[in-house]
Amino acid sequence: EPEVTQTPSHQVTQMGQEVILRCVPISNHLYFYWYRQILGQKVEFLVSFYNNEISEKSEIFDDQFSVERPDGSNFTLKIRSTKLEDSAMYFCASSDWVGEEKLFFGSGTQLSVL
Amino acid sequence: QKEVEQDPGPLSVPEGAIVSLNCTYSNSAFQYFMWYRQYSRKGPELLMYTYSSGNKEDGRFTAQVDKSSKYISLFIRDSQPSDSATYLCAAPKAAGNKLTFGGGTRVLVKP
Repeated sequence: EPEVTQTPSHQVTQMGQEVILRCVPISNHLYFYWYRQILGQKVEFLVSFYNNEISEKSEIFDDQFSVERPDGSNFTLKIRSTKLEDSAMYFCASSDWVGEEKLFFGSGTQLSVL
Repeated sequence: QKEVEQDPGPLSVPEGAIVSLNCTYSNSAFQYFMWYRQYSRKGPELLMYTYSSGNKEDGRFTAQVDKSSKYISLFIRDSQPSDSATYLCAAPKAAGNKLTFGGGTRVLVKP
């Protein structure tokens, strides 16, 4: 069964460093998303991406964040200068069409900012 | 007011019992409703989605939506220990919009 793949599963970084979280969405999907979940809190939307551009972003997704689809298979989330409060599980998701929001999530990258 | 709310639990039931999960929402703009299952340290996995009011059944799972009272339910029949997880309800305001998640209800099914 096709699945969304995320790497690395766990990333530890120092405050102020840049991190890139990587995702390989399901191959025929066209809509891509990043969500995050701080420990013990709700899953929160960060950004959606379609046709090589951001279609929606939350207030969390400030100038420190960026997304890119550098080739036909990868989808990345970059945090330019990490803060302690960026520590969370980051989930990539994809879907094949807009309508019923059948999002398929990856297993996540646990980001720990020290 | 939180847009989507769930009782955090934990909800503990014996194996074979019916699990009843509830979710309330405040925004009438929500059109679709989903239930996701999330195992510890894993991504959410879509279980059910519903668009209209009424019931939808899929195997041991039944989702129920009452738009008049802004109430969503998920029932799990013949519960198994493998059903032990956190169950999240979620809704988008329109097609293509972000999903707003509830906080999740943790379920423990004891053998």
